[in-house]
Amino acid sequence: GAVVSQHPSRVICKSGTSVKIECRSLDFQATTMFWYRQFPKQSLMLMATSNEGSKATYEQGVEKDKFLINHASLTLSTLTVTSAHPEDSSFYICSAFNTGVNSPLHFGNGTRLTVT
Amino acid sequence: GENVEQHPSTLSVQEGDSAVIKCTYSDSASNYFPWYKQELGKGPQLIIDIRSNVGEKKDQRIAVTLNKTAKHFSLHITETQPEDSAVYFCAATPSGGSYIPTFGRGTSLIVHP
Repeated sequence: GAVVSQHPSRVICKSGTSVKIECRSLDFQATTMFWYRQFPKQSLMLMATSNEGSKATYEQGVEKDKFLINHASLTLSTLTVTSAHPEDSSFYICSAFNTGVNSPLHFGNGTRLTVT
Repeated sequence: GENVEQHPSTLSVQEGDSAVIKCTYSDSASNYFPWYKQELGKGPQLIIDIRSNVGEKKDQRIAVTLNKTAKHFSLHITETQPEDSAVYFCAATPSGGSYIPTFGRGTSLIVHP
């Protein structure tokens, strides 16, 4: 089945630093990837849609300068949390469609970000 | 936009019992309904899905039913096992536009041995 790999699985950083999270589609090409944020015991909140070769589309309320997304190839999207603060601590998950739209989203295993 | 309601938020059952999770959606244009299981500290994993041209689908101990007229769909797990304990999310996907699914708020299923 389709595999989405996310790295790192956990990261702890100091306030004010930036953190990059990578999302790779291992056995398929993904022109579009999605980034979600999940707070404890809550649902998945879509942050942005990452489009290969073009700018990401951000959901309302998500700061594009805080959460930089780059989708430089058909198998890799990155999310960089810039100047991280403790309130950015969360579980970040990427996903992608394997066989096109209206098919299942395949999720990575998430990245637990803790900002101290 | 689409709105997906999921109930219950928490479900506690004894091993061997059945568990049912229900979802309703608002957009009649939605035509694809996946269910995901999320274990602690991991990303959601697809467990079963159903399309709008089908009323029921079964895969071993899990089944999903869809009532398009009433705009609701349900996940049924029979003979529950402790390893079924997780958070389950339903989702409704539109047939056009962004094709991005709208997720329910999740159900925490606890199966007691």
